[in-house]
Formats: sequence, C-alpha cells, structure tokens
Amino acid sequence: AQSVTQLGSHVSVSEGALVLLRCNYSSSVPPYLFWYVQYPNQGLQLLLKYTSAATLVKGINGFEAEFKKSETSFHLTKPSAHMSDAAEYFCAVSNYGGATNKLIFGTGTLLAVQP
Amino acid sequence: EPEVTQTPSHQVTQMGQEVILRCVPISNHLYFYWYRQILGQKVEFLVSFYNNEISEKSEIFDDQFSVERPDGSNFTLKIRSTKLEDSAMYFCASSSDRSNTEAFFGQGTRLTVV
Repeated sequence: AQSVTQLGSHVSVSEGALVLLRCNYSSSVPPYLFWYVQYPNQGLQLLLKYTSAATLVKGINGFEAEFKKSETSFHLTKPSAHMSDAAEYFCAVSNYGGATNKLIFGTGTLLAVQP
Repeated sequence: EPEVTQTPSHQVTQMGQEVILRCVPISNHLYFYWYRQILGQKVEFLVSFYNNEISEKSEIFDDQFSVERPDGSNFTLKIRSTKLEDSAMYFCASSSDRSNTEAFFGQGTRLTVV
C-alpha cells in the first residue's frame, strides 16, 4: 500500500525566508509524487509533480521539490516566501501502471507567512 | 484554460435526504474521480470511473454512494440517504490518461448535512 507522511501540520515563516515543507512516502513500486496547494475556499491546484524523470522538479510560483529515493522523501522548498504563499499544501502519491491512478494524500501542512 | 466545473458550490441538506453533486470534467479526459475532505482532515479518495464503469472505490464508498456519467459530459455523485458524517467538501477530478501525470480538480462542493 502507498502512503505519504507530512511532518508538521502547521509551518510559519517570515516573508522572504526559506520555505521547507516535508513529505515522506511509502510505496512498494516506483511512485509518482505530487504537491498540491489549496488556497482558502478553493480547490486543489497542482504545484509540481515527479514522474520518474529528473529528480529535482520545478513547479509554479517558484516552488521546487527533490525526489530522494534513499530517504523516501519529496520535500517542497521555496527560497523566499511571499505573503501570497499562505495556503495549505498537500503531498500525494500515485503509482503508474496500476489498475487505477488514485491519489493518496497526506494530511496537509498549513503554511503561514508572517510580514 | 480548460477546467473542471462543479455545482453547486455549497449544498445544505437534511439528514436522510438524497443529494446529487455534479461535475463537468475536462472534455477530452477519460478518467474521473471523486474525493472528499472532511473539515480539518486530509483529502480522501472515494471512487474512480473509466469507460462508464467504476474502476476502483474506497471503503468509504459504500452502498449509499453511486456515480454516473449520464450524458457524456456530466459526472455525478449521488448520496442516497445523507448522514451527518457525510458533511465534507467533495472534489471532482479528471485526467487524460492512466498514468495520471496530472489530475485536474474542481473547486469543490461543500456539503452540509443538518
């Protein structure tokens, strides 16, 4: 079975500081990994995805994530936080070639950005 | 830019009533999904649908739930007899291929059962 664990349900950073949101995955097959963002009262928007190509993945809004197989991690980073980054972030895993391609989500990390 | 559209955005219903949540997936997509998010909890998979049949469902998706693609454009989730614990945000998603390199989500329907 696949799963993801997001460490830290709440993360607070100052504007301009580094953002680091942690995600560890468990999968018996090579995974596809995703980060989604959810702004208040909105749906889920894809930030970036890892699909077995380059291990460093760049996404929208200056975010990137690195797939580290040895650490079973897919942490999300952004060098400099902006007030508009305040949102909830979900890591998700899926397996390619499976019978279906459902996403298994983590519990989410709420990012607060302080002025 | 193509998008997944869900209606209504908010639905309030009495316990025991039937509700139908509607979704219009992206037009050339073939795989459709429903997820739900109970307030303060993670997003959970409910069901996936392909080629006019359910391809996978979670243990949450019991007999009170059903899905349908009635007319080739809409994708609906029916809850036959709502319970208080069905109160959640329900998200529809669609993807173009089985490898699911990207699933596009709708804005969600907030269902409140009173």
